[in-house]
Amino acid sequence: QQKVQQSPESLSVPEGGMASLNCTSSDRNFQYFWWYRQHSGEGPKALMSIFSDGDKKEGRFTAHLNKASLHVSLHIRDSQPSDSALYFCAASASSGQKLVFGQGTILKVYL
Amino acid sequence: AQTIHQWPVAEIKAVGSPLSLGCTIKGKSSPNLYWYWQATGGTLQQLFYSITVGQVESVVQLNLSASRPKDDQFILSTEKLLLSHSGFYLCAWSLHLGQDTQYFGPGTRLLVL
Repeated sequence: QQKVQQSPESLSVPEGGMASLNCTSSDRNFQYFWWYRQHSGEGPKALMSIFSDGDKKEGRFTAHLNKASLHVSLHIRDSQPSDSALYFCAASASSGQKLVFGQGTILKVYL
Repeated sequence: AQTIHQWPVAEIKAVGSPLSLGCTIKGKSSPNLYWYWQATGGTLQQLFYSITVGQVESVVQLNLSASRPKDDQFILSTEKLLLSHSGFYLCAWSLHLGQDTQYFGPGTRLLVL
C-alpha cells in the first residue's frame, strides 16, 4: 500500500487560476513533508517544505499541513503555463533515511 | 553554489550487459547522497543512501549496487541488466538526514533492450 497518496491524478486549470493539490499519509511516523515539481525530462525541484501545522506561503505557493489527519495540500495561485508539470508530495520520518514520494499529480495550465 | 552532475545523460544497453552510472556533487563538503529510480511518468523510488565515503545503505533490492569512492562521487552499477532496469535514474544530495531538503540532479535516462 502506498504510504503517501496524492489526489487528483491530474488537474487542468486556466492561466491565472488556482490549482489545489492534495496529499495524505498513512504513516504516523512521517513528520516532515515536501512538495516537488518535475518538468518533463528533468530532475525534480523542491518547491517547499512544511513541518508544522498550519500554512506556509512562498510567493504564489501556499502549503498547508494538518498533522492530526496527516494531510498536506499545495495551492498555486495565479497559475502560469510554466507551472504545468508533475507535482510530488514527499514525506520522511524523524530518522530521515528514507524519503517516500507519492504517485504524483499532473498539472496542466491552459491559456 | 552547489552543482550536481550526472553521467551519462542517456544510455541504451542490452539485457545482460553491465552498467555504471555516476554522480558528482561540487560545492558541498560531506553531503548525504541518494540514488532514486523513476519509471516513465511514475513515482520516485529511493534505492540507496550514503552518509559518508565508503558507506552505502540499500533501501530496496533491485539487483543494483552502489558505491561512494570519494566524498563527492556516487556510483550506481550492475553486472547484468534486466529489462526492468529501464527508467530514469536520479542522484540527490542533502546536508543531513531527516528534515533537510534533498536536491536532485538532472538524471540519466536508461533504456534496456
